[in-house]
Amino acid sequence: QSVLTQPPSVSGAPGQRVTISCTGGRSNIGSTYDVHWYQQLPGTAPKLLIYGNTNRPSGVPDRFSGSKSGTSASLAISGLQADDEADYYCQSYDSSLSSWVFGGGTKVTVL
Amino acid sequence: QVQLVESGGGVVQPGGSLRLSCAASGFTFSAYTVHWVRQTPGKGLEWVAVGSYDGSYKYYGDSVKGRFTISRDNSKNTLNLQMNSLRVEDTAMYYCAKVNHGGNIDRSDAFDVWGQGTMVTVSP
Repeated sequence: QSVLTQPPSVSGAPGQRVTISCTGGRSNIGSTYDVHWYQQLPGTAPKLLIYGNTNRPSGVPDRFSGSKSGTSASLAISGLQADDEADYYCQSYDSSLSSWVFGGGTKVTVL
Repeated sequence: QVQLVESGGGVVQPGGSLRLSCAASGFTFSAYTVHWVRQTPGKGLEWVAVGSYDGSYKYYGDSVKGRFTISRDNSKNTLNLQMNSLRVEDTAMYYCAKVNHGGNIDRSDAFDVWGQGTMVTVSP
C-alpha cells in the first residue's frame, strides 16, 4: 500500500480532459512539502512532468497542469492525445516516515 | 546534455552483493544531490537512498537500511550504491535521479533527470 493514493486507471477519449488524484495525509501533502508528478511511457524511465505542485519544466505542454489543496493533489490533462497513454506518479516527502514517497501510479488510457 | 547512466546490475543469489554505479555528465555533479529509486517489475516506484551533493548526508529507506550504502566520487562524477545481503524482494530496476536544485538536501526537491535504469535480479 502506497502512502500516496492514486486511482489505478483513468481513461478518456481524444480531446477530453482527465484528472488524476493523489491523496495523502498531514505528514506529507498536507504539510509543507511539494508534490511532483512524473510520466512514465512504456519501457522508459520516469520523466518529470510537474514540479512544485503547479510548475511545468520547459518542454512540457501546457495541456498538463497540477494543483494542490489540503492533503490532496491533482494532475489534469486537457486535450487528451494518444501519446499521453502512460503511467503517472505523484511524489512528495513524508515526515513521519522520513522518506520520499510515491503514489501507486495511474495508467491513463486514450479510448 | 544532462545525462545519468547506471550500470552494475545483474543476477545474484539471495545473500549476495552488487555495486551499482551512476555516471553523470552535462552538469556540475558536485553541486547536486542524487537519489536512487527502484521499480519492481510491473509495480510502482520506491525511494531507496539519497546522498547529498558533498556526500556528507546520506539517508535510506527502511527496507534497505543497514544493507545498502550510498557513496559518491565527485572527482569522477559518479554515484554508487553498494547492495549487500540482497533479498528476492530487492529485485527491481534501479534508477539514479538528480534533483532540480543544487545545494543541500531539500525534501521538496523534484527528481528532474533520471537515468535509463539498471536491472537487479535476486534469485535462488
